[in-house]
Amino acid sequence: NAGVTQTPKFQVLKTGQSMTLQCAQDMNHNSMYWYRQDPGMGLRLIYYSASEGTTDKGEVPNGYNVSRLNKREFSLRLESAAPSQTSVYFCASSVGRATDTQYFGPGTRLTVL
Amino acid sequence: RKEVEQDPGPFNVPEGATVAFNCTYSNSASQSFFWYRQDCRKEPKLLMSVYSSGNEDGRFTAQLNRASQYISLLIRDSKLSDSATYLCVVKPNSGYALNFGKGTSLLVTP
Repeated sequence: NAGVTQTPKFQVLKTGQSMTLQCAQDMNHNSMYWYRQDPGMGLRLIYYSASEGTTDKGEVPNGYNVSRLNKREFSLRLESAAPSQTSVYFCASSVGRATDTQYFGPGTRLTVL
Repeated sequence: RKEVEQDPGPFNVPEGATVAFNCTYSNSASQSFFWYRQDCRKEPKLLMSVYSSGNEDGRFTAQLNRASQYISLLIRDSKLSDSATYLCVVKPNSGYALNFGKGTSLLVTP
């Protein structure tokens, strides 16, 4: 099992460009999450999907959209990247219940110039 | 006030030492508690859940004090491989979000 995989690992964008971060899990988990991690800020939840077909906003959703493509895949889209979106993005998944352990992907390091 | 607060450290300790980290949380209705470990430029990984009665996993002991709203992690006989950032994580009583502390940095030296 690969667990949670993310692509790309690194990305540099110019202000105003768009891109989609991909995430997939092979653990048959129901719930998936997108976080961002900034120096001195800790991890903050952007969006989550409690189950296939549902998505909800987290703490910092502005500037992002998500798609739960199927049970395995959960993508994060930046429509018009801004320098403030320079961060490390982690995708995570859990079985489904809110108290379950979350398993994280290796992260995408995004720089917006 | 941030929901989960930790001393960022760094804690520099020699091999074999015992070190303890504390974490405080603001939401008294929080439901679940965890310690995650994050190595430099890597993803967070669950170290252990924290139960009301306290729990131990090898050299690691976690304690929860609901009355004072703090969680602790004790590491005995520190190893070089314990060097990492330790994240205190609290799950509120509703919703799916986890609240992460900013982490405590530990460096174990020879």
